[in-house]
Amino acid sequence: AQRVTQPEKLLSVFKGAPVELKCNYSYSGSPELFWYVQYSRQRLQLLLRHISRESIKGFTADLNKGETSFHLKKPFAQEEDSAMYYCALHTGGGNKLTFGTGTQLKVEL
Amino acid sequence: DSGVTQTPKHLITATGQRVTLRCSPRSGDLSVYWYQQSLDQGLQFLIQYYNGEERAKGNILERFSAQQFPDLHSELNLSSLELGDSALYFCASSEGTVGNQPQHFGDGTRLSIL
Repeated sequence: AQRVTQPEKLLSVFKGAPVELKCNYSYSGSPELFWYVQYSRQRLQLLLRHISRESIKGFTADLNKGETSFHLKKPFAQEEDSAMYYCALHTGGGNKLTFGTGTQLKVEL
Repeated sequence: DSGVTQTPKHLITATGQRVTLRCSPRSGDLSVYWYQQSLDQGLQFLIQYYNGEERAKGNILERFSAQQFPDLHSELNLSSLELGDSALYFCASSEGTVGNQPQHFGDGTRLSIL
């Protein structure tokens, strides 16, 4: 069965420090992975998807099939990055997403 | 903003009762998804509808049911409510049902069972 693991519930970094939010997945098929973000008092929204290989708000994520990982990275954290981040795996059969339990990122001054 | 809208925002009821949660998808989106977010389980996929038909099913209890109407809005019905059903219920929508299409989420309905 498919599974997404985000091992850190909370990650606290100082402004300007590098950020890495970990995500590991388990899936027998060809994975399609996403990062969603939820800022305080806002709705869950798509941050980026691996298929686009894009950088959004300075964040990037590379799919590593060997390590079954899709870690989210940013070289210099900013205060406005403080939010809840969810890694999600799309599996076949419609467009169902399996979410990780989320990591709360707190960027301190 | 013609994003996903969910009503009501909050719902407080008692065990054994039945409630209906409503979702209007983004303009032009044909797929609607329901998710349950609880403290211990995280975000769990419940069910997906595409253009009125059930497309995928997740960990949805038999006490729960959903449907999508011709105008594409969807309702999630929860019956014989138990304390453990207290959670945030999210609706999301996407254009179709292809894998890499992003899902757009509503603000959620917070259900509290007393």
